[in-house]
Amino acid sequence: QSVLTQPPSVSGAPGQRITISCTGSSSNIGTGYDVHWYQQLPGIAPKLLIFANSNRPSGVPDRFSGSKSGTSASLAITGLQAEDEADYYCQSYDSSLSVWVFGGGTKLTVL
Amino acid sequence: QLQLQESGPGLVKPWETLSLTCTVSGGSIRSSSYYWGWIRQPPGKGLEWIGSIHYSGNAYYNPSLKSRVTIFVDTSQNQVSLKLSSVTAAESAVYYCAKHLGNSWLDAFDIWGQGTMVTLSS
Repeated sequence: QSVLTQPPSVSGAPGQRITISCTGSSSNIGTGYDVHWYQQLPGIAPKLLIFANSNRPSGVPDRFSGSKSGTSASLAITGLQAEDEADYYCQSYDSSLSVWVFGGGTKLTVL
Repeated sequence: QLQLQESGPGLVKPWETLSLTCTVSGGSIRSSSYYWGWIRQPPGKGLEWIGSIHYSGNAYYNPSLKSRVTIFVDTSQNQVSLKLSSVTAAESAVYYCAKHLGNSWLDAFDIWGQGTMVTLSS
């Protein structure tokens, strides 16, 4: 059971918009610690998608966006493409546990 | 362009010490102010942070592993190493090294190695 809660799976048709939630608590996201998002294709190392809640590294398409409010954060993907099919993880710091925590991951299926 | 490559034994016996090395190429660990981390992922499961270190030796560890983990830097070899003692079968996983984005260990991991699978079995 992860400290950060993500839906196990989401799905969408090509071209659609989906969102993935990441729910934390007052000891992590709610305290103001940044949330980061990673994309992991099968058999490949995670790739940084969004850092510090809403910032995209160079090379990440603007179809990907992040937001944070209260004790939760969200990753949105617009114009869904087949190549977006992957696992997505959120990450933040938990001050009670003194540890980096990851969400359990969300498997995105493009129908 | 910075690249990270993990190396080490793919098979370790239970209760022995797991030792892995991450070789950094395309830049010097000493000349940067970045933190470097280790993360692991059991097959079919999620990610777990192990620890992070600065070339100065300042390190942070996952409290659940702290008594068994050592991460250290060899600037002459441009390497970051991980030692995890008394490992159990449940710690079979892909072990990744990764670089923190900025000069804080609270920054995201922006560059990852390809990972190395370590199996714990007698």
